[in-house]
Parts: sequence; structure tokens; C-alpha cells
Amino acid sequence: DGGITQSPKYLFRKEGQNVTLSCEQNLNHDAMYWYRQDPGQGLRLIYYSQIVNDFQKGDIAEGYSVSREKKESFPLTVTSAQKNPTAFYLCASSISQDYEQYFGPGTRLTVT
Amino acid sequence: KNEVEQSPQNLTAQEGEFITINCSYSVGISALHWLQQHPGGGIVSLFMLSSGKKKHGRLIATINIQEKHSSLHITASHPRDSAVYICAPRSGSARQLTFGSGTQLTVLP
Repeated sequence: DGGITQSPKYLFRKEGQNVTLSCEQNLNHDAMYWYRQDPGQGLRLIYYSQIVNDFQKGDIAEGYSVSREKKESFPLTVTSAQKNPTAFYLCASSISQDYEQYFGPGTRLTVT
Repeated sequence: KNEVEQSPQNLTAQEGEFITINCSYSVGISALHWLQQHPGGGIVSLFMLSSGKKKHGRLIATINIQEKHSSLHITASHPRDSAVYICAPRSGSARQLTFGSGTQLTVLP
């Protein structure tokens, strides 16, 4: 079964802790993306990667970090520097930047 | 920066009704995506179009590049169509998507 998996579905952390969200795809896609969704707002791009070992900041990269060591994996770390980390995080992938994006099921992060 | 406006923000319809959701954007684009988000949060891509019209089952998407406007139509709506519908134009230069805030559709039986 081809697709994108994100784990866990729900994540709870204390303020001041770093947390890493997992995103894996077996679609053989080159491009991968991380988005954040807040209530009543559109998705906003955090980071994207067009190819292994390369990634670029999106519109709201501050307080986040990523790595792309393997084509299949694009983990997102939410650092303690992120002022408002509580949100719904969505990972997506596409064949390349100009193609349709496929989304994972999302991780809902709550930081208290 | 591309400004994206969707209307209406909320829409309630009776089963069987014809639904139209509108999307306007402010800058030139290379393509526009329509997405569907279910209550659990998962997002499914419905259409990607750069001109004219596309149809898939009961769903039809149209785009007018000159007018900077796209519409999503649902014929013979059904309660299972209840979801948030999001338009996301791709700016020609930036090649990134800008997402509308979505239209919450509720179809009553």
C-alpha cells in the first residue's frame, strides 16, 4: 500500500521540550513538505525539500528544524524556540514541486 | 504574496442540492489545487488545474485565469460530501502553494 504515514496521531509535550514528528512516504516522491494548520487559518508552509540532503525554509520556519537524509523520510523537530507550537501538523509529498501533493493523516501536537 | 479568498466560509445544504464554492486569488498562478479535508484532519487532493474545467464523478472544477477565479461544484450533494474544501493556487514564480482558509460544507440528509 503506497502512501504517507505520520506518527504519532496525537502528541503531548511540556513547554521547553523539543519534539520530533515523523513523516515517511513510500511513493518514491522527490519533494516533501511540512505544513502547520491553526483553527480558522489556511495551511502554512514550514519547510520543504525538493531532493535528498536539501531543504528550504517556508513562510514560518522559525523554531523548527528538518532533515532529509533519506528519500522516504522528512522528520520535523519542533524546538523550544517555537513560541506557539500547539497546532495540527501535516506532511505532504509530490513527484516534484509542480505536481499534485499527497498528504499524510497529520499529527496534533499539544504543548502545555 | 498571493491573497486567497474563499466563499462562502460555511455552507449548509440539503441532500441532492447543487453546491458551488468560490476561490479568488490576487497574483498570477501556474496551477490551482482543490483539496478536501475530513473531520479527522486528513486531506485529499481533488483536482489540480491550470485552465478550463475538470470533472471527476459528481465534482467539477473550473478556473478562469484572466479573472483570477476558480469554482468547485458538487452535483447531487450527499451527506458524505460534508467536509472542508480548500483551494490552493500555486504562484508561478514561487512554485509554492498558498492555501485558502477553507469552506466548511455540511450536507443534511
